[in-house]
Amino acid sequence: EVVLTQSPGTLSLSPGERATLSCRASQSVNSNYLAWYQQKPGQAPRLLIYGTSNRATGVPDRFSGSGSGTDFTLTISRVEREDCAVFYCQQCSSAQVTFGQGTKLEIK
Amino acid sequence: QVQLVQSGAEMKKPGSLVKVSCKSSGGAFNNHFINWVRQAPGRGLEWMGAILPFSGITKDAHNFGGRVSITTDESAGTVYMELRSLRRDDAAVYYCARDLRQSTFAYGFDQWGQGTLVTVSS
Repeated sequence: EVVLTQSPGTLSLSPGERATLSCRASQSVNSNYLAWYQQKPGQAPRLLIYGTSNRATGVPDRFSGSGSGTDFTLTISRVEREDCAVFYCQQCSSAQVTFGQGTKLEIK
Repeated sequence: QVQLVQSGAEMKKPGSLVKVSCKSSGGAFNNHFINWVRQAPGRGLEWMGAILPFSGITKDAHNFGGRVSITTDESAGTVYMELRSLRRDDAAVYYCARDLRQSTFAYGFDQWGQGTLVTVSS
């Protein structure tokens, strides 16, 4: 099973700052099957990024994804108060889906 | 716009089973995999398995020791997840989620149900 480790555990930023969230895999991941989600309290997760770098429908362009192999990144160019949430990465390998443990983004 | 509507909250005893449904309000699932993901209180996301409704093809998560069954009633536009031999640590919110691309597994889950809270207590 591919283990995804996200860092940092918590990120505290002011509005307008840049957020860089990391997702590291225990073995190489097919970049077509790397996705990112945002989850706000009491809500279902929302797909942000699929295929490493493709924004899902309706996702603002301040969200971007990059990476390859074992290292992937979600970047929020200028955080806004509404971005306060937990972010998860997800991968699929050998028909098994795993999620990272999440990064909590706090807005000061 | 397809919406996934799940059945209501359940309270179960240890050792019993729970069956949660997920209905497509916009019609058929249109050849998209439907996945099940759970989230224990204050914890992260855990994938449980998936089904491609029109074919019945399933993908099973290795973590559950055969306790999970995912089935479909295409005529009713509904997918079911059954979890057997419930333990206290199975208490969680259970979500169904649709795969983004038709007939493509785990490309990204773009539509989610509202979640079903399952409580396990004696």
